[in-house]
Amino acid sequence: GQNIDQPTEMTATEGAIVQINCTYQTSGFNGLFWYQQHAGEAPTFLSYNVLDGLEEKGRFSSFLSRSKGYSYLLLKELQMKDSASYLCAVREVANTNAGKSTFGDGTTLTVKP
Amino acid sequence: GAVVSQHPSWVICKSGTSVKIECRSLDFQATTMFWYRQFPKQSLMLMATSNEGSKATYEQGVEKDKFLINHASLTLSTLTVTSAHPEDSSFYICSARDVGTSGISEQYFGPGTRLTVT
Repeated sequence: GQNIDQPTEMTATEGAIVQINCTYQTSGFNGLFWYQQHAGEAPTFLSYNVLDGLEEKGRFSSFLSRSKGYSYLLLKELQMKDSASYLCAVREVANTNAGKSTFGDGTTLTVKP
Repeated sequence: GAVVSQHPSWVICKSGTSVKIECRSLDFQATTMFWYRQFPKQSLMLMATSNEGSKATYEQGVEKDKFLINHASLTLSTLTVTSAHPEDSSFYICSARDVGTSGISEQYFGPGTRLTVT
């Protein structure tokens, strides 16, 4: 099975940088995803890591260390619209359970002026 | 990017009735679709994995006779909540994997269906 941990809530200031951590313990690993979800809406894809290292995509970056079972999502130049829930999800090995993903409980980020 | 639609976007039904929710991949084929349920201020909980042309795989604790899933084509999966009760009121979200991509093969989420059972 999967066990995914991420902080429940975080607060940051507009224009600042925030790092959201995610740790996982899995029986199989085939990639880690970060999603953004605004209240009442479905999640939207932010990033995907399957190899160790940093993936940068504009203001958003995601890092993975498979040996440590650790990932983080880095948000730069925070904007008010970045206030949302950020979900960390780990995908199991693809040939079992069709590669389903297990989601963490999400981190609610509040950006203040 | 790939688009997944859900219908209806919201529905109110009476206790004891059945409700069908459709999930469609609009511009790609999906051999696998996932159905999630999300209660307020909680994360997504996988209910079942829907595979085209075969029976769905249900997660532990999800009643397969209550939540009927049919994946009849590569672009359509349906979830039917049978004999709905107020505790079934939730946000139901589907996602689909694009079999055509050789890269990330990410899941694309539908916009969700909010079900309220009175």
